[in-house]
Parts: sequence; C-alpha cells; structure tokens
Amino acid sequence: DQQVKQNSPSLSVQEGRISILNCDYTNSMFDYFLWYKKYPAEGPTFLISISSIKDKNEDGRFTVFLNKSAKHLSLHIVPSQPGDSAVYFCAASVTGTASKLTFGTGTRLQVTL
Amino acid sequence: KAGVTQTPRYLIKTRGQQVTLSCSPISGHRSVSWYQQTPGQGLQFLFEYFSETQRNKGNFPGRFSGRQFSNSRSEMNVSTLELGDSALYLCASSFRTPDNSPLHFGNGTRLTVT
Repeated sequence: DQQVKQNSPSLSVQEGRISILNCDYTNSMFDYFLWYKKYPAEGPTFLISISSIKDKNEDGRFTVFLNKSAKHLSLHIVPSQPGDSAVYFCAASVTGTASKLTFGTGTRLQVTL
Repeated sequence: KAGVTQTPRYLIKTRGQQVTLSCSPISGHRSVSWYQQTPGQGLQFLFEYFSETQRNKGNFPGRFSGRQFSNSRSEMNVSTLELGDSALYLCASSFRTPDNSPLHFGNGTRLTVT
C-alpha cells in the first residue's frame, strides 16, 4: 500500500517559470512532511519541510503548501532554474518516529532553457 | 562541516555471502537511519539507531541488521545475500532533537549481488 504518492513521474518546465510538484498521502497519522531533491549518483538532499500545524512554509525560491483535509502537499519552485533539474521526493513521518520516513516514488523535473 | 560519509561507494558480492556497510554521520548528529532504494520499491526505511540502540525498524527480514558505536558511527550488515538485495543503500543522520529535524543523507553504497 503506497501511503505517499507522487502521481506525476515527470515534469518539464521552462526556465524562469513556476514548477509545481504534487504529493498525496493516505495515512492521517502523518504530521511532518519533507521534500528532497536527488541527483544521479548522490543521496537525497533536504529542501524544505512543513509541520501539520502549518499550511505553508517558504524558503527562498521554494514554498511548500499543505492541505490536510485533502491530504495533499505541493512544492512550488519560483523561478525555476536549470540546476533544479533532478528527481524530487516527498516524504512523510509521524512525530516520535521522525527518522522513519515514508517516501513517494519521485517526480523527475526537467527545467529547459 | 563534513556531510554523511558512506563507505564503500560500490560493492559487488556473490549470492550467499554477507556484506558490511559503514556510515559516519554529520558531527553532532546522534541518530543514524538506513534506507534501501530499488527501482521497484523506491526508498524504504530499514532501521534507525540512536545512542547505540535501535529505535525503529522497517519491514525487512532479519538478514538485515545494524549497530551503532559510541561515536555515533554505524554499520549495516546483510547476511546470506540474495539477488534482490541489489540496491543503493543510503545512510542518513539527524540531531533527533527536536524530534522533527530533517534527515541528511550520504551518497550511498551501491551493492550489486551476482
């Protein structure tokens, strides 16, 4: 049972435009959500996180939105840059087991010139 | 500040053998977690160690084990290797205080079982 889903395996966006990556979850116990970026042959790099007590968190070009009623979160990247091209994973955990992340299957983002 | 260091980067083993992977966490991080990444199953949690004690465990058979030393360094062992154990094994560390501190991953060990 896939508790965290990223339904878009790939996304292509022009440089300078907004990239929106989506993630859905089914486990209502999840209360901490993260986004990671992964380049080939490297480990995932932490981007941004959000606790379930918030509905938005911003860090520079990256904003994460959380809609608890829809069990949906999204990552907005504005403006998109070629260096953002990577695979993006959303992940979720339950407070008390924060190291036990449940990951989505990833979305490959390609930012074109 | 040095990141999470995993050794070796690549390993080739034969079915039935055992393997030990090593992980050095970021200085000051006391929690070390291990994940397996495969094309079919994605990233899956193996186990977490904190202060030399296993705190959480994923749904993997007992052939997968680990330990943590007093300096927070961790090792993961897989015994009686199977072809399906071929994967990228990732180690991650965190402060774990506050509880919701993000995990920082190493670049992984690519294990190939033939």
